[in-house]
Amino acid sequence: AQSVTQLDSQVPVFEEAPVELRCNYSSSVSVYLFWYVQYPNQGLQLLLKYLSGSTLVKGINGFEAEFNKSQTSFHLRKPSVHISDTAEYFCAVSVPTGKLIFGQGTTLQVKP
Amino acid sequence: SQTIHQWPATLVQPVGSPLSLECTVEGTSNPNLYWYRQAAGRGLQLLFYSVGIGQISSEVPQNLSASRPQDRQFILSSKKLLLSDSGFYLCAWSVSSSYEQYFGPGTRLTVT
Repeated sequence: AQSVTQLDSQVPVFEEAPVELRCNYSSSVSVYLFWYVQYPNQGLQLLLKYLSGSTLVKGINGFEAEFNKSQTSFHLRKPSVHISDTAEYFCAVSVPTGKLIFGQGTTLQVKP
Repeated sequence: SQTIHQWPATLVQPVGSPLSLECTVEGTSNPNLYWYRQAAGRGLQLLFYSVGIGQISSEVPQNLSASRPQDRQFILSSKKLLLSDSGFYLCAWSVSSSYEQYFGPGTRLTVT
């Protein structure tokens, strides 16, 4: 069965510093991978996705993620964060039935 | 372009009262539809999904039910709310051939 583990529940970082949010997945079949962002009291917004091809995926708001099949990871990175990046971030993996399995989320806290 | 609506945005209901949350999608046909619940400080729990009118799959046994009376309408209901039903309810849609899901703005339900 597929599963997703987000290794950090909270990540505090200062403004303009780089950040990495970690995501590991478990699956016996090929998967598609996603990162979503959720601002307070809002729905989830798709940041980026890996379906196939290049393992480095670029998304919105300056975020990127790298798919590493050997390490079964899909870590999210941004070279310089802004206060406005403060939000909850969810990693998700596809399952063959067409659904997504979500991680528990990582709260990114950007400090001035 | 496609849009997804949820209402109401917030709802406060007493224990034992009925519930009806509505989700509608515009700009697409025959979408897959999903209901998720997000409890405070926790990840997303898939409650129901639907691949077509009248076709509902339940992921978690509970006192909630879902219906899809029209192609782009998805309703979440309960006959008698429990305190544990409190949470943030999110509706999402996807194209049937794709894993990407797009989320609505959510409904904040507080059961008192």
